[in-house]
Amino acid sequence: QVQLVESGGGVVQPGGSLRLSCAASGFTFSTYGMHWVRQAPGKGLEWVAFIRYDGSNKYYADSVKGRVTISRDNSKKMLYLQMNSLRGEDTAVYYCANGAAAGYWGQGTLVTVSS
Amino acid sequence: DIQMTQSPSSLSASVGDRVTITCQASQDISNYLNWYQQKPGKAPKLLIYDASNLETGVPSRFSASGSGTDFTFTISSLQPEDIATYYCQQYDNLLTFGGGTKVEIK
Repeated sequence: QVQLVESGGGVVQPGGSLRLSCAASGFTFSTYGMHWVRQAPGKGLEWVAFIRYDGSNKYYADSVKGRVTISRDNSKKMLYLQMNSLRGEDTAVYYCANGAAAGYWGQGTLVTVSS
Repeated sequence: DIQMTQSPSSLSASVGDRVTITCQASQDISNYLNWYQQKPGKAPKLLIYDASNLETGVPSRFSASGSGTDFTFTISSLQPEDIATYYCQQYDNLLTFGGGTKVEIK
């Protein structure tokens, strides 16, 4: 069955960096585009970034553009989100989701930006 | 960018009631719409894909319809375990989510 397991969250100071990872299994990772979606505490869902199956194209929400980089390693079945210049408003649970339609989601990893 | 307007933002209904949530897209998205259920502390769970198709294992009291810009999600007989927040999500162009509907028991 499809499994997505996020990791790498934690507490970071404003202006700091963090790299999130998403380990995929149970499907042919190299043929699926992948999303990152986040949810701030008590708020709704916000799309963050998308990468095509082969990494050829990447798309970002305006709220993170220039500060975040999505990448993938198909040989390792891993998805990544490098986050720099973090702000308080980046505090959220970050989920990875598979496919253009985001059919399956991981359990999420919490990022807290605080001094 | 495609905007998704979901209503109501919250509702309170009795067990056994029929519950309806609507979602409107700012432009034609055909049937590229999912509905999710999210319980506190959990990841969203896909209930409906392609606007009207029930995900495997999801109870048949959940249904949805619509295409183009107007979509409807229905719980035919609300059960206590359905207490959650429900989201619509378009995937015609990347992803956009509705604001969510928090469903409570009266």
